[in-house]
Amino acid sequence: GAGVSQSPRYKVAKRGQDVALRCDPISGHVSLFWYQQALGQGPEFLTYFQNEAQLDKSGLPSDRFFAERPEGSVSTLKIQRTQQEDSAVYLCASSLIQGHEQYFGPGTRLTVT
Amino acid sequence: QQPVQSPQAVILREGEDAVINCSSSKALYSVHWYRQKHGEAPVFLMILLKGGEQKGHEKISASFNEKKQQSSLYLTASQLSYSGTYFCGTDRTAGNKLTFGGGTRVLVKP
Repeated sequence: GAGVSQSPRYKVAKRGQDVALRCDPISGHVSLFWYQQALGQGPEFLTYFQNEAQLDKSGLPSDRFFAERPEGSVSTLKIQRTQQEDSAVYLCASSLIQGHEQYFGPGTRLTVT
Repeated sequence: QQPVQSPQAVILREGEDAVINCSSSKALYSVHWYRQKHGEAPVFLMILLKGGEQKGHEKISASFNEKKQQSSLYLTASQLSYSGTYFCGTDRTAGNKLTFGGGTRVLVKP
């Protein structure tokens, strides 16, 4: 079946704009994760959902970052009033159940100018 | 705390072997290994769980020493397609967030 998909693949935003990044997990996967990856670094955890419940948001860098998964499938990561330091690749991953391997989407490359 | 990967980079000739190590200072529930090529998503290679369970691709082998909180990924008879950056991700809490190491860049030359 289809893997994890993310849209848009590339996003250029002017400083101060709001952006919304979408993630479609693998069908039936209960757990969904968002990670931020800076150039040349490993992914860094942002937040985690189990179905529609956001169980861990300890990695969100500021209150400008907000994530939701209202029906337990598609998730949206929203960044308000974008700053240059928000420029990164945002990766979404899903896993069948808690504790299993995570499958990553292609990411959204966000550039804030 | 971020796990430490070594070496940071390795260059191989096709057919050669290599070992990539991942070390944590905290007790772990599981270790996950991924390979990422430039501009692409990390691809799942292997998960090793506390207690000895493993799941992954047939051509990849890895070990997990729970007492030492260390894991090793073995690249055997390397192929050109093995080139990329390898990340280990550690899970301390049974199924929540992964904390990734800084990566090991692998280049396999003909």
